[in-house]
Amino acid sequence: DTGVSQNPRHKITKRGQNVTFRCDPISEHNRLYWYRQTLGQGPEFLTYFQNEAQLEKSRLLSDRFSAERPKGSFSTLEIQRTEQGDSAMYLCASSLVAGKSYTFGSGTRLTVV
Amino acid sequence: AQSVTQLGSHVSVSEGALVLLRCNYSSSVPPYLFWYVQYPNQGLQLLLKYTTGATLVKGINGFEAEFKKSETSFHLTKPSAHMSDAAEYFCAVSFTGGGNKLTFGTGTQLKVEL
Repeated sequence: DTGVSQNPRHKITKRGQNVTFRCDPISEHNRLYWYRQTLGQGPEFLTYFQNEAQLEKSRLLSDRFSAERPKGSFSTLEIQRTEQGDSAMYLCASSLVAGKSYTFGSGTRLTVV
Repeated sequence: AQSVTQLGSHVSVSEGALVLLRCNYSSSVPPYLFWYVQYPNQGLQLLLKYTTGATLVKGINGFEAEFKKSETSFHLTKPSAHMSDAAEYFCAVSFTGGGNKLTFGTGTQLKVEL
């Protein structure tokens, strides 16, 4: 399967703990995006990479959030000192630079208790 | 700045009836427009997209949408609803030069009744 893979699918954590999510994009896709989706809302852009370079970060991405894409392959999104407001579905998508289509992963659902 | 407005957070239709989901956008540059479908606890699946060219776009599962620049609309239609169409639908906009990142509407939950 050459789709976008996200792990874990579900994560329950206690408030104040750190969590890390992983996204494996389609191998030939050089752009990778992270979105956050809260209940009843559409996905909101968080950040994107072109190869290993992080080119844009949304103001939604507080300093507790950090994303990396070492070697331009998989990406990780870390949330430090989680808060209940961080509970959401975190979606990853990948595309070609010149492409106008995105392939989304199935998401990681985070619940902070 | 771009934005997307989806009119009607919930739409209910009978099986076999016409599906019409409304989307209006705001963009200062020529937009790329998308419709995605999301089933519970799943990611987003692309139904169709408009980038350039023909304004009537056909997608998967019998859906189509028409880009109307004068009305800044990109409504999604399907002639005959099927039970399997019940899901949440998102309209989104992007543009070249903005990293191609997507701005989504708040979604429309489609219910299909017997």
